[in-house]
Amino acid sequence: GQSLEQPSEVTAVEGAIVQINCTYQTSGFYGLSWYQQHDGGAPTFLSYNALDGLEETGRFSSFLSRSDSYGYLLLQELQMKDSASYFCAVHRDDKIIFGKGTRLHILP
Amino acid sequence: EPEVTQTPSHQVTQMGQEVILRCVPISNHLYFYWYRQILGQKVEFLVSFYNNEISEKSEIFDDQFSVERPDGSNFTLKIRSTKLEDSAMYFCASSVGSGAGSLTQYFGPGTRLTVL
Repeated sequence: GQSLEQPSEVTAVEGAIVQINCTYQTSGFYGLSWYQQHDGGAPTFLSYNALDGLEETGRFSSFLSRSDSYGYLLLQELQMKDSASYFCAVHRDDKIIFGKGTRLHILP
Repeated sequence: EPEVTQTPSHQVTQMGQEVILRCVPISNHLYFYWYRQILGQKVEFLVSFYNNEISEKSEIFDDQFSVERPDGSNFTLKIRSTKLEDSAMYFCASSVGSGAGSLTQYFGPGTRLTVL
């Protein structure tokens, strides 16, 4: 079977750093993506890791350890507009399997 | 910037009726997908489509569902005999490649389907 685990909610303060973890269990694994979704909106792509290590895109970074079946999304210099749900997603074959999402609450 | 478009934005239908949800993927993309998201829940994969045929489908995508690329631009999802539990947001997505190459799937804004 396949499964993804990520925290259901995380709260952080504006300007701070937050890390959202994701563990997965699946066969045919190609890579791990992160998507952001604001209420009522569509998922938007943030990052993709196929190899172990850290990928940095502006304020967002994503990490993957294939041996540990683990990844995380790191958001720096949090802004109120970062309040959203964040989904980790595994790429396998011709589909993406999404986790249940982490709701990020940002306090002023 | 090219984007995936979907119509209608909101569809209301009676239980038992058929609905067709429409999508226009990004023009140079070769892989097309449908996902659904029940309110407050995760995004669920329904089907992937490549070279005019289904390449993969989930257990959700049963005989009630079908997809079609009727012309060079549109990609449709047909739901026959809708049920109350089909009420959800349906997202279309497209990508240049698949598998290891499907680095980014671009999502449309979604169609909210309400079955009464």
